Amino acid sequence: AQSVTQPDIHITVSEGASLELRCNYSYGATPYLFWYVQSPGQGLQLLLKYFSGDTLVQGIKGFEAEFKRSQSSFNLRKPSVHWSDAAEYFCAVGAREAGKSTFGDGTTLTVKP
Amino acid sequence: NAGVTQTPKFQVLKTGQSMTLQCAQDMNHEYMSWYRQDPGMGLRLIHYSVGAGITDQGEVPNGYNVSRSTTEDFPLRLLSAAPSQTSVYFCASSPSRPPNTGELFFGEGSRLTVL
Repeated sequence: AQSVTQPDIHITVSEGASLELRCNYSYGATPYLFWYVQSPGQGLQLLLKYFSGDTLVQGIKGFEAEFKRSQSSFNLRKPSVHWSDAAEYFCAVGAREAGKSTFGDGTTLTVKP
Repeated sequence: NAGVTQTPKFQVLKTGQSMTLQCAQDMNHEYMSWYRQDPGMGLRLIHYSVGAGITDQGEVPNGYNVSRSTTEDFPLRLLSAAPSQTSVYFCASSPSRPPNTGELFFGEGSRLTVL
């Protein structure tokens, strides 16, 4: 069965500092990997995705993620965090078929001024 | 450009009542799904559909029914609401063809409280 682990429930960073959110997955085949962001009271928005090819993927809002098959990881990074990045971030793994994904429990990001 | 539309946004039910959460998408996506979100538990898949007339169970299907008579609509039915079904419900759709294959497009959510 597929699963996703986000080890950090809550992370606090200062504005302008770098950010890395961790994600580890378990999946039997080649995974489709996603990062979504959820602002308070809103639905989820896709930040970036990995299907195949280059293991470093670029997303919206200056985010990037690196797929490491040997570590079963797909960590999200941003070089300089903005106050507007405060939100909850979800990593997900899914198959192309059926459009269904398994989500991690999420990481809440707080940005200090 | 509506995307995925969920109604109602808020609902309070008493234990044992029934209701339907509506979901409609205008992107002609083949796949649709329902998730529930509970604090500290991420999103859990309730039911999903790969096309009109085809549905299947997800991780937490008990207490919920779905049907898919059209490509656009995917309602979620609670037949006899229980307090354990207090949650935020998200409907999502996904295309089967590139370039957005596998990506979930979410509605804004429906917050349900069962007393």
